[in-house]
Amino acid sequence: QQQVKQSPQSLIVQKGGIPIINCAYENTAFDYFPWYQQFPGKGPALLIAIRPDVSEKKEGRFTISFNKSAKQFSLHIMDSQPGDSATYFCAAGDSWGKLQFGAGTQVVVTP
Amino acid sequence: GAVVSQHPSRVICKSGTSVKIECRSLDFQATTMFWYRQFPKQSLMLMATSNEGSKATYEQGVEKDKFLINHASLTLSTLTVTSAHPEDSSFYICSAREAGGLYEQYFGPGTRLTVT
Repeated sequence: QQQVKQSPQSLIVQKGGIPIINCAYENTAFDYFPWYQQFPGKGPALLIAIRPDVSEKKEGRFTISFNKSAKQFSLHIMDSQPGDSATYFCAAGDSWGKLQFGAGTQVVVTP
Repeated sequence: GAVVSQHPSRVICKSGTSVKIECRSLDFQATTMFWYRQFPKQSLMLMATSNEGSKATYEQGVEKDKFLINHASLTLSTLTVTSAHPEDSSFYICSAREAGGLYEQYFGPGTRLTVT
């Protein structure tokens, strides 16, 4: 059973567009919500992470929006570039440090 | 900083043999390391949590006698796939949490295992 639901499965945007990826969770024990970027054949790399006491966090072109009451969070990629084409995973972490990953979203940014 | 390496990056072995994968934290001490498995175009699935100096904790459905994990030092954890079969072919990824750290995990580049 997927503890973190991620959508969409894939999306295509033009350069400069803003891909938005959404995730939802059920377990209120989760208190750490990171986003990872993964290129084919590589390990995931941490992009940005948020804790439940904050509703929004920005790092460079990446923004997380977090809605604690709805148990949802999303990633926005501002001014997307072809180099951003990758698979993005949301995750939720508990106090033991274990992460549950979403299913992933394949993002394609066209020139 | 916070670099995690894995060795080998790719390995091909015959069915019935065992394969060892190493995960090292290069510039920090890791009291906890995690092992994940990822099938093509799928998500990462946590297999086990490895704490330095103690037995690993396996997730439900993961055979601990098949996937042997050893975390003998603060910079090295190993995963041994015993009596490998073709269905064990997958991308194995480790991550490490810095000693004193709470949440952030640093991921290795992964090991592609192919069992023929």
